[in-house]
Amino acid sequence: QKEVEQNSGPLSVPEGAIASLNCTYSDRGSQSFFWYRQYSGKSPELIMFIYSNGDKEDGRFTAQLNKASQYVSLLIRDSQPSDSATYLCAVKESGGGADGLTFGKGTHLIIQP
Amino acid sequence: DAMVIQNPRYQVTQFGKPVTLSCSQTLNHNVMYWYQQKSSQAPKLLFHYYDKDFNNEADTPDNFQSRRPNTSFCFLDIRSPGLGDAAMYLCATSRMTGGRTEAFFGQGTRLTVV
Repeated sequence: QKEVEQNSGPLSVPEGAIASLNCTYSDRGSQSFFWYRQYSGKSPELIMFIYSNGDKEDGRFTAQLNKASQYVSLLIRDSQPSDSATYLCAVKESGGGADGLTFGKGTHLIIQP
Repeated sequence: DAMVIQNPRYQVTQFGKPVTLSCSQTLNHNVMYWYQQKSSQAPKLLFHYYDKDFNNEADTPDNFQSRRPNTSFCFLDIRSPGLGDAAMYLCATSRMTGGRTEAFFGQGTRLTVV
């Protein structure tokens, strides 16, 4: 049974600070890793994806992957109130296949003005 | 804009009455997925189509079926909805070319069973 674990939170971060979200996964063979943002009552929106060990930066977002530790993280710099949402970590077994995503339950992030 | 569109946004159905949810896409992606997300839970994959090939997850109940008549459309049929099937149903698409397999979601259909 593939599992993706996230701290459900809520994680409360002051506006302008760095928010750090973490995720671990059980399937060592997983190849693709994604972060989705989901506002209450809305569908998931893709924020970042990462396939290789190390860091990947896109604007205020940085995804970090450590396959040896089976650990993925998302850093949000200069946090804004609009970043308040649930962040879903998702893992895919293949690098380029059609298999679907295994999601964690998400971390509820609150940015305090 | 190219996108994934789900209809309806909200669906109320009676216990045991068949219901169909629809998804269309203008992205020309060859993979379409259906996920079920219950309140405060992770989205759970029900099945997916890779072109015309249907792939069912092992633990998806027989009550759930899907059809993909063409590249653009995919339907989720719930033959006899129970109270436990109330959830947000999410359609997603993915393109299987160039090693890029990110999935993009429609806005979801929230199903209520009364």
